Amino acid sequence: GAVVSQHPSRVICKSGTSVKIECRSLDFQATTMFWYRQFPKKSLMLMATSNEGSKATYEQGVEKDKFLINHASLTLSTLTVTSAHPEDSSFYICSARTLPGTSGSTDTQYFGPGTRLTVL
Amino acid sequence: DAKTTQPTSMDCAEGRAANLPCNHSTISGNEYVYWYRQIHSQGPQYIIHGLKNNETNEMASLIITEDRKSSTLILPHATLRDTAVYYCIVQFGNEKLTFGTGTRLTIIP
Repeated sequence: GAVVSQHPSRVICKSGTSVKIECRSLDFQATTMFWYRQFPKKSLMLMATSNEGSKATYEQGVEKDKFLINHASLTLSTLTVTSAHPEDSSFYICSARTLPGTSGSTDTQYFGPGTRLTVL
Repeated sequence: DAKTTQPTSMDCAEGRAANLPCNHSTISGNEYVYWYRQIHSQGPQYIIHGLKNNETNEMASLIITEDRKSSTLILPHATLRDTAVYYCIVQFGNEKLTFGTGTRLTIIP
């Protein structure tokens, strides 16, 4: 159980285009999903927290107009990188948190496999 | 501010137990200790978490000292597939996870 999927797994796009990444919790419902970015040889950096039915909360320094997040259901969140540029090339990872009480002692986050974005 | 301190890297022989330490001297009473690992070019994988008591599951054991200022993740019989970066994270149960630099564990054949 507790499987999170991401689509696509990798994408190459031209500079100036927009790219949408989907994150799905396959066998559980998640009111909260998170989006991370990871540059080579670096640790994961949280970009934003996505709550179902409400606006996402962005971390300091993350442009909300560039990284659009939609969390329309309890199993799906999307991240759209608008007007992508080469510096946006990175490994984007989502996670989904189980609903309170479903994993015993406390909530647990489960991560997707990641999406590698390359902007030419 | 980093809540945890982990060694940068460790080696372990295949088939032996891998013991990964983590210091969290400023942990508060309601904060949990979580362990995740990230195999190269994949998303992090949840391993185990605990509050006060030692915990064990099919993947690993988590030993938390009585004062809760440190913990050890134990992989009982390491295999080559356990080569990964291991992250020890201290957070309240419903908070976002903050990743540090972790420990790069290499299993030696």
